[in-house]
Amino acid sequence: EAGVAQSPRYKIIEKRQSVAFWCNPISGHATLYWYQQILGQGPKLLIQFQNNGVVDDSQLPKDRFSAERLKGVDSTLKIQPAKLEDSAVYLCASRSRTGLFGEQYFGPGTRLTVT
Amino acid sequence: DQQVKQNSPSLSVQEGRISILNCDYTNSMFDYFLWYKKYPAEGPTFLISISSIKDKNEDGRFTVFLNKSAKHLSLHIVPSQPGDSAVYFCAASGRTGTASKLTFGTGTRLQVTL
Repeated sequence: EAGVAQSPRYKIIEKRQSVAFWCNPISGHATLYWYQQILGQGPKLLIQFQNNGVVDDSQLPKDRFSAERLKGVDSTLKIQPAKLEDSAVYLCASRSRTGLFGEQYFGPGTRLTVT
Repeated sequence: DQQVKQNSPSLSVQEGRISILNCDYTNSMFDYFLWYKKYPAEGPTFLISISSIKDKNEDGRFTVFLNKSAKHLSLHIVPSQPGDSAVYFCAASGRTGTASKLTFGTGTRLQVTL
């Protein structure tokens, strides 16, 4: 079974530029999450999708961050414009309906550096 | 407001000995707890979990203990192996509202030495 795929793996941009990250969850997983992990901290949930609907986006900085999950499969996370404090690893995770409660499968992440 | 705390940023243990990683939480609404393991340049992987109705859960070399009154949990790895060297994250969830939302601690880096 293929895991969660993310691209790109690394991205360097200047502040005020835009950037987009892509995630392809495990086939059949209805729930998809985007996390931000700043160096030295644990992952922080940005947004949670159930199929193509948003379940929780309470910690998403909506003035600059947006995310979508068209057709309930792939998802993109966009930052526009980026700030220095957005430098972090962005992790995508997915979970099946029948999986153990709380067990999420994570992708390798995208490391974003904003200069 | 750090609701899940891992106060030891790093831990070094000899191969074959016991590794004990600790985690404290402040939110009494949390009732499900998990440990994730992370290798460099990879995403976290699920290791073991425990529900608040239990005080212990065991899976091979890994055991998680939960003390609800102290709001404390710990992960024991016995015996420790070099392949266990990784960052370990404690995570917690409440089953109401957004049921599977996880709140993570800051992680403990475990190094198992030969």
